[in-house]
Amino acid sequence: QKEVEQNSGPLSVPEGAIASLNCTYSDRGSQSFFWYRQYSGKSPELIMSIYSNGDKEDGRFTAQLNKASQYVSLLIRDSQPSDSATYLCAVDSNDMRFGAGTRLTVKP
Amino acid sequence: DAGVIQSPRHEVTEMGQEVTLRCKLISGHNSLFWYRQTMMRGLELLIYFNNNVPIDDSGMPEDRFSAKMPNASFSTLKIQPSEPRDSAVYFCASSQTGLSGNTIYFGEGSWLTVV
Repeated sequence: QKEVEQNSGPLSVPEGAIASLNCTYSDRGSQSFFWYRQYSGKSPELIMSIYSNGDKEDGRFTAQLNKASQYVSLLIRDSQPSDSATYLCAVDSNDMRFGAGTRLTVKP
Repeated sequence: DAGVIQSPRHEVTEMGQEVTLRCKLISGHNSLFWYRQTMMRGLELLIYFNNNVPIDDSGMPEDRFSAKMPNASFSTLKIQPSEPRDSAVYFCASSQTGLSGNTIYFGEGSWLTVV
């Protein structure tokens, strides 16, 4: 059974802080990794994708991938109240499976 | 460009009734996914198709659930008979040229309540 694990949270950070979201996966053959954001009552939307070991930065977001440790993370710098949402980790290993999500609250 | 289109957006039905959820893929996409989301179980992959062919239906809960893709742009997910435990948000998503490395895009979801 392919597993994607996330800390369910909730995670609460003050405005302006760094939020760190973590994800582990079980299938070593996985090649593609994604972070989605889901606001309450809405559908998931893509934030970032990452395919190679290391860091990938896009604005305030940085995705980190370590295939040896089967670990992927998302850092949100200068967190804003509008970042408050559930963040879903997705792993593509001949199917696209999601973690349970981490609920993030950014307090003004 | 239109995104993934799902219907109905909301449905309330009585236990035992048949439910049909519909999905139109993004033009040019050739992979389709059906997910179910609940608070308890999160986002579960039910089935996915590639080029109209079901590739993996191991996530389909039981025989009451069936999915079809009668053409390259349209799919249905049917529940017959429906049960209260089927109450969830059902998302359809699509992507282009297979799975690996390709982003999937979600529809707005079909909110199903079975009473």
